[in-house]
Amino acid sequence: RKEVEQDPGPFNVPEGATVAFNCTYSNSASQSFFWYRQDCRKEPKLLMSVYSSGNEDGRFTAQLNRASQYISLLIRDSKLSDSATYLCVVSLSGGYNKLIFGAGTRLAVHP
Amino acid sequence: DAGVTQSPTHLIKTRGQQVTLRCSPKSGHDTVSWYQQALGQGPQFIFQYYEEEERQRGNFPDRFSGHQFPNYSSELNVNALLLGDSALYLCASSFYPGAGPYEQYFGPGTRLTVT
Repeated sequence: RKEVEQDPGPFNVPEGATVAFNCTYSNSASQSFFWYRQDCRKEPKLLMSVYSSGNEDGRFTAQLNRASQYISLLIRDSKLSDSATYLCVVSLSGGYNKLIFGAGTRLAVHP
Repeated sequence: DAGVTQSPTHLIKTRGQQVTLRCSPKSGHDTVSWYQQALGQGPQFIFQYYEEEERQRGNFPDRFSGHQFPNYSSELNVNALLLGDSALYLCASSFYPGAGPYEQYFGPGTRLTVT
């Protein structure tokens, strides 16, 4: 079983749509959670850290369910510029642990 | 403020050769991690350097080695290259804030092609 699992997509949505990505992780000792976005042939860029109470940054909302070991990302009012691969990432407890990535979910927003 | 920088951008090597990739962390960051990303996959952790020592290592063979310098910059060395080593190599820099999530920021990567 993979440590972090994501639906690979692609998700094809029109501009203005709301889209949700889900992710599950296998290690209950995971303590830090992130969403990164990666454009084609570029480096991953940190989109947001995910907090236990859930958090929002503009059109983006992240939720964490520790009991179910489940992380989600909601994008509202999709823009063409949101087209990218979204990587779900976890890290084990400790101040310096490695990042464990899912394979990513591809999003394509069309006019 | 310069972000994480990596060199070279692209590299083509033949099987059996050796390669050295370089990374300069973001200003104020003292920890460098290296990741390998094969096409269509998420990045895989290779190792992490802090205070010039390897602090953690992923599931990679000894052909992969590294170094961190006093100015926090780092090198990744791969010996006896295999075709399967073709990938995007990413460097991430970070520092531990003492509380809260430990965020890592990536450089643009080095795309290595082994022929």
